[in-house]
Amino acid sequence: GAVVSQHPSRVICKSGTSVKIECRSLDFQATTMFWYRQFPKKSLMLMATSNEGSKATYEQGVEKDKFLINHASLTLSTLTVTSAHPEDSSFYICSVAGLAGVYEQFFGPGTRLTVL
Amino acid sequence: AQSVTQLDSQVPVFEEAPVELRCNYSSSVSVYLFWYVQYPNQGLQLLLKYLSGSTLVKGINGFEAEFNKSQTSFHLRKPSVHISDTAEYFCAVNNQGGKLIFGQGTELSVKP
Repeated sequence: GAVVSQHPSRVICKSGTSVKIECRSLDFQATTMFWYRQFPKKSLMLMATSNEGSKATYEQGVEKDKFLINHASLTLSTLTVTSAHPEDSSFYICSVAGLAGVYEQFFGPGTRLTVL
Repeated sequence: AQSVTQLDSQVPVFEEAPVELRCNYSSSVSVYLFWYVQYPNQGLQLLLKYLSGSTLVKGINGFEAEFNKSQTSFHLRKPSVHISDTAEYFCAVNNQGGKLIFGQGTELSVKP
């Protein structure tokens, strides 16, 4: 399977600042990446699908101006939480679509965001 | 619309006991099915997957699952659990459209 990294693993920021989270596919070129959000004791909620070289596709209810996604290369996608507020505090996880097709995904270790 | 239901939110078991984590799905089309494990503050690790072929699927760490099309189920089993199996387990379905739909998760707690 693919090896996926995320940076940073943890971030604490003040309300009103912006935070960038990186997702990297370390061992193959990923045309499709996914961003999820997970609340404590809850399942994963798909936020958006990130396609290399094109605009991300956001799920219903996810503010695209709030959660900016950039997939400028085949190994890197970034999620920027703009003007973060305490309610944006969460665990953010990215995944990479496998080589055999988009039906298999490999997940990064996650980023814990805490907004004070 | 597709959905995944994990019938048990928490499953406490004693070490070396067998365990079954239940998963049911609804779909009008063929699906691919997955089980993932998540340890605290970590991402998801693939345990096993059903894409086609044999309905009994073997995965890592001694886990297996059986795809039952008539019951629309994909239950996860392990004959003898260890303390280290304590984690959150997620069942997921992919509808061939690229998106994974997750169940609510089952917290497996293995006690000595």
